[in-house]
Amino acid sequence: KAGVTQTPRYLIKTRGQQVTLSCSPISGHRSVSWYQQTPGQGLQFLFEYFSETQRNKGNFPGRFSGRQFSNSRSEMNVSTLELGDSALYLCASSSGQSLNTEAFFGQGTRLTVV
Amino acid sequence: AQSVTQLGSHVSVSEGALVLLRCNYSSSVPPYLFWYVQYPNQGLQLLLKYTTGATLVKGINGFEAEFKKSETSFHLTKPSAHMSDAAEYFCAVSKASISSGSARQLTFGSGTQLTVLP
Repeated sequence: KAGVTQTPRYLIKTRGQQVTLSCSPISGHRSVSWYQQTPGQGLQFLFEYFSETQRNKGNFPGRFSGRQFSNSRSEMNVSTLELGDSALYLCASSSGQSLNTEAFFGQGTRLTVV
Repeated sequence: AQSVTQLGSHVSVSEGALVLLRCNYSSSVPPYLFWYVQYPNQGLQLLLKYTTGATLVKGINGFEAEFKKSETSFHLTKPSAHMSDAAEYFCAVSKASISSGSARQLTFGSGTQLTVLP
């Protein structure tokens, strides 16, 4: 069974630009979550999607958005990039939304804003 | 509010020595706890999880963790460290969304970087 696939692995963008990151969950998983990882703030929850609906959102500005498609693939978008958006963005998929369901993570997309 | 605290941002052990990584949780209800490992430039890999039942949980790569409600702890241990264990380890708690009780998110500790010395 293929794991969680995130593309691209690395991105370099300029301040003010926008970026779209992609995540393909494990086959059959309907829940996709996104996390931002930085040295200063650690791992922070961005949002979670289940069956194409955003079910939960972290404390991030509106420049961060996402969506989920009918095949459970998800994208997140960051507009008007700032230097502080440089981070590793991790996607995780789960088979359900129960609190005891494990999340499987992709390898992440390393975004560098210059 | 549910959260986790990892004591010690860096831990060094000699190869073959005991590994002990500390995690304490704060929760008003029985928590669901997880340990993840992250190798350089990689995502997170699940080591083990505690939900209900047995308080000693065995995971992959020889790791185990014991849930102690009286101490609100979920420390990760491995009897004998191997060079390949060098990585960053994260403790996490699963909590429900305030706005949507059916949704959930993982709240992570700040991580512990494990160094294994030859």
